[in-house]
Amino acid sequence: AQTVTQSQPEMSVQEAETVTLSCTYDTSENNYYLFWYKQPPSRQMILVIRQEAYKQQNATENRFSVNFQKAAKSFSLKISDSQLGDTAMYFCAFMKARMDSNYQLIWGAGTKLIIKP
Amino acid sequence: NAGVTQTPKFQVLKTGQSMTLQCAQDMNHEYMSWYRQDPGMGLRLIHYSVGAGITDQGEVPNGYNVSRSTTEDFPLRLLSAAPSQTSVYFCASREGIEAFFGQGTRLTVV
Repeated sequence: AQTVTQSQPEMSVQEAETVTLSCTYDTSENNYYLFWYKQPPSRQMILVIRQEAYKQQNATENRFSVNFQKAAKSFSLKISDSQLGDTAMYFCAFMKARMDSNYQLIWGAGTKLIIKP
Repeated sequence: NAGVTQTPKFQVLKTGQSMTLQCAQDMNHEYMSWYRQDPGMGLRLIHYSVGAGITDQGEVPNGYNVSRSTTEDFPLRLLSAAPSQTSVYFCASREGIEAFFGQGTRLTVV
């Protein structure tokens, strides 16, 4: 069975600083997808970034980038130039890239990120 | 295009009461699912459906029923609410690997 671990329950940084959220996972699959979702106080789940395991290049979306280490089964999220609006819960999630997976997402417990002014 | 719509947003139930959480999507997605979110545990899959007339259990199905009579709707039923079902519930639909979530329902069972 797949598991996703986020070892940092809560983090806080000053506005404009860079912060890295960690995520590790356990799987015997070779092909899969990894995601970071943001959940602000509004409760809405927002996709931040995703990574296909077969791609060696790390995904980047504006101020958000990942460090994907497949052999180490590590998938960290880096937020550059952090903004007050980045304050939220961040979830790491895993999905097998197989039709029989029924596209089920396996979630980490989340990291509460607080950006201080 | 409203995306995924969940109702209600908040609900308080007494132990033993029943209720249905509604979920509707207007994107013609075949795959829909229900998750519950508890503190320190992330989201856990309750039930899912890969199309009208087809449902299956997820990780934590006990105490919940679902049906899928149309592509658009995927209601979640609590037949006899228990305090352990106090949680935030999310409905999601999926197109390929991209998931679209509803706004969530905060349910409290007293």
